[in-house]
Amino acid sequence: DADVTQTPRNRITKTGKRIMLECSQTKGHDRMYWYRQDPGLGLQLIYYSFDVKDINKGEISDGYSVSRQAQAKFSLSLESAIPNQTALYFCATSDQGRPYNEQFFGPGTRLTVL
Amino acid sequence: AQKITQTQPGMFVQEKEAVTLDCTYDTSDPSYGLFWYKQPSSGEMIFLIYQGSYDQQNATEGRYSLNFQKARKSANLVISASQLGDSAMYFCAMREGPRSNYKLTFGKGTLLTVNP
Repeated sequence: DADVTQTPRNRITKTGKRIMLECSQTKGHDRMYWYRQDPGLGLQLIYYSFDVKDINKGEISDGYSVSRQAQAKFSLSLESAIPNQTALYFCATSDQGRPYNEQFFGPGTRLTVL
Repeated sequence: AQKITQTQPGMFVQEKEAVTLDCTYDTSDPSYGLFWYKQPSSGEMIFLIYQGSYDQQNATEGRYSLNFQKARKSANLVISASQLGDSAMYFCAMREGPRSNYKLTFGKGTLLTVNP
């Protein structure tokens, strides 16, 4: 079983719709992250959370909101989707106790906003 | 200024040869870490190798090694004995210290193609 799961894996929606992307992890990590990836731009950080009560904006948080429902769950919402939010979205986790504190990524959610 | 620069949008290498993927970084933080991730066409991000700013030796992980030149602020990834399965996007990333809240910043990536 995957340690970091994302649902849905693919989603097509229309402009103005509210959409939620969900992330769950079984790694027991305290930190969770949401990124988006656009072609030719690498990964950009949207939001990150160091624990349930600690949520921080990343580089490109406008138009997005998040909820850390539990240590293992971190959801990303687009309140009113727009076409330029079409991208590949990744959830990631890390554990500050690991020597490298490297991030482990989920499989990604491909979102298309028409 | 970009914090992570990968100047090679695409690279080609023959199977079984070595290849170097370039990465330069910019930070004033004395404590930082450098990462390389691989993204195959299936889309997942796979952690490859890590180099800490205080590490005295270059990191190695199997066929991957990191050529860390601190004074030049470069952290190039070397893949030895390339295999067809190495064809993928490769991302360099940097994590800075407490002032940046330990966030990870990614470069734009290099697309490596291994030819048979």
